[in-house]
Amino acid sequence: AQSVAQPEDQVNVAEGNPLTVKCTYSVSGNPYLFWYVQYPNRGLQFLLKYITGDNLVKGSYGFEAEFNKSQTSFHLKKPSALVSDSALYFCAVVDTGGFKTIFGAGTRLFVKA
Amino acid sequence: DAGVIQSPRHEVTEMGQEVTLRCKPISGHDYLFWYRQTMMRGLELLIYFNNNVPIDDSGMPEDRFSAKMPNASFSTLKIQPSEPRDSAVYFCASSPGAQEQFFGPGTRLTVL
Repeated sequence: AQSVAQPEDQVNVAEGNPLTVKCTYSVSGNPYLFWYVQYPNRGLQFLLKYITGDNLVKGSYGFEAEFNKSQTSFHLKKPSALVSDSALYFCAVVDTGGFKTIFGAGTRLFVKA
Repeated sequence: DAGVIQSPRHEVTEMGQEVTLRCKPISGHDYLFWYRQTMMRGLELLIYFNNNVPIDDSGMPEDRFSAKMPNASFSTLKIQPSEPRDSAVYFCASSPGAQEQFFGPGTRLTVL
């Protein structure tokens, strides 16, 4: 069965520092991987995706993610964090057999000024 | 495009009442998803449709919950009778396939 794990409930980082939000997955076959962000009182917003091709994927707001097949990971990164990046981040994998998306539990990112 | 539209944005009702949540997906999207989000359980997939047909309803908590999609531009999620433990934010999302989903703003449901 497909699954996604976000091992950190919360990540704290100072503004201007690099940030990493971790995600590992378990799928049978090739994964379709996604990151979403949720701001308070809003729906989830798509950030970036990996379907195939380059392992480093660039997305919205300066975020990027690295697909690592051997470690079954898809960590979200940003070189320089902004206070406005503070939000809830979800990693997700699509069950390519049926298009059902499995979401991780979410990681809350706090960026301190 | 206006994005995914949900109504109402907020609903407060009393235990035992019927609640109907509505969703208009993005035009041209073949997939529609209903999710529930709570602090305790996180984001849960309730049901999803492909071309208006329910594909997987294994996440629907119990028979009190039902969902329909009578056409490509409208879906409803109904709870009858509602209970306090149904209080949550309910999201509708649509997608053009095995790609990113576009979420609506959500309906915050409070059952007293």
